Amino acid sequence: DTAVSQTPKYLVTQMGNDKSIKCEQNLGHDTMYWYKQDSKKFLKIMFSYNNKELIINETVPNRFSPKSPDKAHLNLHINSLELGDSAVYFCASSQTVLVEQYFGPGTRLTVT
Amino acid sequence: AQSVTQLGSHVSVSEGALVLLRCNYSSSVPPYLFWYVQYPNQGLQLLLKYTTGATLVKGINGFEAEFKKSETSFHLTKPSAHMSDAAEYFCAVSGRGYSTLTFGKGTMLLVSP
Repeated sequence: DTAVSQTPKYLVTQMGNDKSIKCEQNLGHDTMYWYKQDSKKFLKIMFSYNNKELIINETVPNRFSPKSPDKAHLNLHINSLELGDSAVYFCASSQTVLVEQYFGPGTRLTVT
Repeated sequence: AQSVTQLGSHVSVSEGALVLLRCNYSSSVPPYLFWYVQYPNQGLQLLLKYTTGATLVKGINGFEAEFKKSETSFHLTKPSAHMSDAAEYFCAVSGRGYSTLTFGKGTMLLVSP
């Protein structure tokens, strides 16, 4: 039973399109995150939600909009996709006080 | 503010040899420290973590790491490498009281027969 799941696993799209990535966790955690891993494998936090409220918003273009319908879900919508958005996007979750984060399998986004 | 430096983007060892992956951190508050492993085309899996207490922490798959405050280090070791250990390893730091992880740039471990 997958703890943190993401859909889709692969996403290939053209510049200018709008796309969404979905994330769900069944661990009962109250905090969820989106990370971006670039082509050099560098991981950087994008957003964090705690109990459906945005608590961390790093310097990310406003074309990226996270949405958390409930504590178990955190989706990422990207408008007007650009070549530089090509990366692997990871969702993660944690129980705040424990800090330890559990990662999803990633979504490889390729913008052509 | 926090940062992590992993020395060596690639480390090569022979099967059965000692594995040593280096991590130094910078943190303005007492840190929580983590090592994650990423196998090809997979997500990150937690190997081990240091929060408080014993400075030598043991993780999964025979890995361990030692928190050395005076050296601001958290190096990862394994006495005997196995072919299945070949993967990308990430060191990460978090400040106590909040849960954002700052990652190092990763070290690719290559294991040869």
